[in-house]
Amino acid sequence: DVKVTQSSRYLVKRTGEKVFLECVQDMDHENMFWYRQDPGLGLRLIYFSYDVKMKEKGDIPEGYSVSREKKERFSLILESASTNQTSMYLCASRAVSGQGINSPLHFGNGTRLTVT
Amino acid sequence: AQKVTQAQTEISVVEKEDVTLDCVYETRDTTYYLFWYKQPPSGELVFLIRRNSFDEQNEISGRYSWNFQKSTSSFNFTITASQVVDSAVYFCALSEGGGADGLTFGKGTHLIIQP
Repeated sequence: DVKVTQSSRYLVKRTGEKVFLECVQDMDHENMFWYRQDPGLGLRLIYFSYDVKMKEKGDIPEGYSVSREKKERFSLILESASTNQTSMYLCASRAVSGQGINSPLHFGNGTRLTVT
Repeated sequence: AQKVTQAQTEISVVEKEDVTLDCVYETRDTTYYLFWYKQPPSGELVFLIRRNSFDEQNEISGRYSWNFQKSTSSFNFTITASQVVDSAVYFCALSEGGGADGLTFGKGTHLIIQP
């Protein structure tokens, strides 16, 4: 079974702090993703990565950056946390199969971040 | 641009009733994939099904069934004889063509099954 692990389940940070959200997957998946989930807005894509050291902006990248130095790890960075970044953050990974890259995403349990 | 609409924000039914969750999508691609995910109170999104745009056959898996109709751009999900454990938020999602940039999700439908 694919395991996507997010390092923290709950996190409380202060405005202006630099925040790191860590995600590790154990199935050698090429693609990794960061989404945020807010009530009434569903899931919105922040950043994604095709493979190691590669990154692409999603729909709402402002205020975030990412790092993918190793294939199994994808970090989301909030350079200067703000209260409007209080949200549930979900990491996902996906294998690039021989039949195409539309295989399902596998999600972690999420990190609920509160910025005060 | 691709878009997924789940018009039902919340549905509440009594256990053993059948319930259908609606999903309408928009895409310009002729090749695309549709997905359903379940998010129970624990928070983790669980993959339920994937369909590609060339396969309009309905699918049944136990109490779950899916109705894909390209003519109406819909991919509806029906739970038969609902159970309390079905209570969750359900998301419909779309991946276009190459699909490299992840999925576009609907806003989700919160399903409440009352005992």
